Amino acid sequence: QAGLTQPPSVSKGLRQTATLTCTGNSNNVGDQGAAWLQQHQGHPPKLLSYRNNSRPSGISERLSASRSGNTASLTITGLQPEDEADYYCSAWDRSLNVWVFGGGTKLTVL
Amino acid sequence: QVQLVESGGGVVQPGRSLRLSCAASGFTFSNHDMHWVRQAPGKGLEWVAVIAYDGSYKFHADSVKGRFTISRDNSRNTLYLEVNSLRAEDTAVYYCAKDQQDSWGQGTLVTVSS
Repeated sequence: QAGLTQPPSVSKGLRQTATLTCTGNSNNVGDQGAAWLQQHQGHPPKLLSYRNNSRPSGISERLSASRSGNTASLTITGLQPEDEADYYCSAWDRSLNVWVFGGGTKLTVL
Repeated sequence: QVQLVESGGGVVQPGRSLRLSCAASGFTFSNHDMHWVRQAPGKGLEWVAVIAYDGSYKFHADSVKGRFTISRDNSRNTLYLEVNSLRAEDTAVYYCAKDQQDSWGQGTLVTVSS
């Protein structure tokens, strides 16, 4: 089952802005959007954004999600050291009846 | 608060079976679809299976279809994953997650090795 496409790595400086992307197709991202998850080494994933681009309670306003066609994006402003982590997107594929994940993007804060 | 606690992992020989459990609390378990997701050492997340809130539908990833079975007991607030015919490539941390992936357990490690 083909997954979603994410760049393997992104590097940005402290207090800069990072935009992570996730590309799927009309049956997954293009249908109902993508969720975004953050994972620090040795910890379970944590939801940052629902598929409708809304943030769960407690998630920083520095994070915002959006979608254009079959590509979802996560923008993190004012990068902090604690933002350094792996970021995954996920979506339900209505044609395959499976959840698909992206391969993950490792965000490095310089 | 929502809590998901997985158990049942361990070291198992190829071809053997295990049953993983996920005990849920802090929310109305019977109202929510539930997922299993796994992560091999040093690798990304891989979705394994989903079950409807009432068990009316189940879907499994192609990589585990025919070998793994997701189930639930709403009277016990518990999610299960029966894993059979285990292979080395099934070695991973297995997480349970609530429907919108807004809550995750800490995971249980399954190691398949002779």
